[in-house]
Amino acid sequence: AQSVTQLGSHVSVSEGALVLLRCNYSSSVPPYLFWYVQYPNQGLQLLLKYTTGATLVKGINGFEAEFKKSETSFHLTKPSAHMSDAAEYFCAVSAYSSASKIIFGSGTRLSIRP
Amino acid sequence: GAVVSQHPSWVICKSGTSVKIECRSLDFQATTMFWYRQFPKQSLMLMATSNEGSKATYEQGVEKDKFLINHASLTLSTLTVTSAHPEDSSFYICSAYSPQASTDTQYFGPGTRLTVL
Repeated sequence: AQSVTQLGSHVSVSEGALVLLRCNYSSSVPPYLFWYVQYPNQGLQLLLKYTTGATLVKGINGFEAEFKKSETSFHLTKPSAHMSDAAEYFCAVSAYSSASKIIFGSGTRLSIRP
Repeated sequence: GAVVSQHPSWVICKSGTSVKIECRSLDFQATTMFWYRQFPKQSLMLMATSNEGSKATYEQGVEKDKFLINHASLTLSTLTVTSAHPEDSSFYICSAYSPQASTDTQYFGPGTRLTVL
């Protein structure tokens, strides 16, 4: 069985500040891990994903995440927040491959203060 | 990159009617498609998985007779909400997967907002 826990349903940071969105996962098999972003009334856009290999994954829009097996974590970071980063972010996990069903976390709403 | 479309993007219907939502992979053949629903300010919940040419696999708690899924071709899957009621109002999102697509990942459609009056 797999599950994802996102810590903090709402995170607010100042423009230019570090963004840190926390995600912990549980998986009985080697996981595929994802971060998606969703803007209001839109679908999902893949920010980045981890499958195997390098544990630091770089994604679009300056985001990156690090897979830490010992901590079962996959936190999302961005060094400097931009107003356009305000959105809902979902951490997700699947098993074995991208063809498997994806289990989503509850989501974290990121707000950016001017 | 791979593109998935959904039609319609927004639909309003009366209680008791049926609504069909289409999910199309525009530039790749999707061996597997997934249907999710998302209630306001909540996460996505997987409803069912469909493979082309076979019956869909529904998640626990999802009524297969109410949410009819057809995956008749490698580029099209449909979700029909039968006898819709206000509690079925939600945002429905599909995703499509093909190992031959540009990257080994699922591609999500833009979603369909269903409002049942």
